[in-house]
Amino acid sequence: ETGVTQSPTHLIKTRGQQVTLRCSSQSGHNTVSWYQQALGQGPQFIFQYYREEENGRGNFPPRFSGLQFPNYSSELNVNALELDDSALYLCASSPSATKQGNTEAFFGQGTRLTVV
Amino acid sequence: SQKIEQNSEALNIQEGKTATLTCNYTNYSPAYLQWYRQDPGRGPVFLLLIRENEKEKRKERLKVTFDTTLKQSLFHITASQPADSATYLCAPSSGGSYIPTFGRGTSLIVHP
Repeated sequence: ETGVTQSPTHLIKTRGQQVTLRCSSQSGHNTVSWYQQALGQGPQFIFQYYREEENGRGNFPPRFSGLQFPNYSSELNVNALELDDSALYLCASSPSATKQGNTEAFFGQGTRLTVV
Repeated sequence: SQKIEQNSEALNIQEGKTATLTCNYTNYSPAYLQWYRQDPGRGPVFLLLIRENEKEKRKERLKVTFDTTLKQSLFHITASQPADSATYLCAPSSGGSYIPTFGRGTSLIVHP
């Protein structure tokens, strides 16, 4: 098991609602990335945070937003939920500054979000 | 646009054989390429990273090759075991942000 923990593990929300997902990064890691994984697909990059600043963003609308705290934990917020937002949301931390591609990423177990 | 292709059909092999999984990419030149294992309902687990100037990387029963001319990476598991059954994800990283982009993965099923 990695030291990355996510909460909650499962969540059911109604279309139009807002949701906040949380991630505690592994000790010593200052970079956190969030991914969305639909059933049968690979993880899709949402955004990355490095030392509390957004450091890259994938092709997701502005209603997907995030935060990173001084202890490097992170939140993913999704507003105006749509049915297609139903997915496994993964958080990954890494020890490198910005070049996450050249080091391994440590993933949490994910949060399964269902929008009805 | 950048595209990563992994076999969408499951690979079924017999225990003890070598499993070979393929990752093809188009429209970019990754500086690094990572392979991850993912079990159902769990987050991916890092296995190996190979750099563009490396042809081959090994770790125990695992071997990864990286052919930048063919734009392809092969992932091999030798002496496969039923416990190796999982989905394997390929994740190349291009220059700039180096954030890995994941393929959809290939499911490997090792039969006893």
